[in-house]
Amino acid sequence: DAGVIQSPRHEVTEMGQEVTLRCKPISGHDYLFWYRQTMMRGLELLIYFNNNVPIDDSGMPEDRFSAKMPNASFSTLKIQPSEPRDSAVYFCASTPGQGASGANVLTFGAGSRLTVL
Amino acid sequence: ILNVEQSPQSLHVQEGDSTNFTCSFPSSNFYALHWYRWETAKSPEALFVMTLNGDEKKKGRISATLNTKEGYSYLYIKGSQPEDSATYLCAVHGGYNKLIFGAGTRLAVHP
Repeated sequence: DAGVIQSPRHEVTEMGQEVTLRCKPISGHDYLFWYRQTMMRGLELLIYFNNNVPIDDSGMPEDRFSAKMPNASFSTLKIQPSEPRDSAVYFCASTPGQGASGANVLTFGAGSRLTVL
Repeated sequence: ILNVEQSPQSLHVQEGDSTNFTCSFPSSNFYALHWYRWETAKSPEALFVMTLNGDEKKKGRISATLNTKEGYSYLYIKGSQPEDSATYLCAVHGGYNKLIFGAGTRLAVHP
């Protein structure tokens, strides 16, 4: 398996533009997570899916952010309209599932570095 | 809200030094603790997962311990090497299938 694949790796856009980040999880992984990494807050959990269904989106900062998972092999994180404070690295990660033990590690993608001017 | 704290925030050591850092978490509703290693310009990679009080894990020169009753884990690196330079992340699974990460400890090992 090629691992978790994210695109684009780098995105530079202007304030007000729509940004779409994409993620392909590892085949067979039932859980997909979107994290945002900033200097101030470290790795923040934005939203996660189980079997394509959003389970917890309490970390999504505001209505400008939305995420979808139309099928088991694809998810998007959309920011519309984008603002300079959205500049960060966005990571997607997947896992077979935590179950009751929480012992399954996350496999992270390479991240998408977003810069909003 | 599950709060995971790591200390110190950053650490500079000389090659050959041994070092350790701490991850603190609420001891209630604990399921598992993960340690990840995150090199610059790469993605985090899992080092250890620990679930039971008293767990000890080891991988080469790196080891970790877990105390769920008092809510902490230690990560130790014996004889640090420049290639150990990275950010070490602790994450706690407190239920509901989500991992909450600490801010990390940034380690720099100088030759």
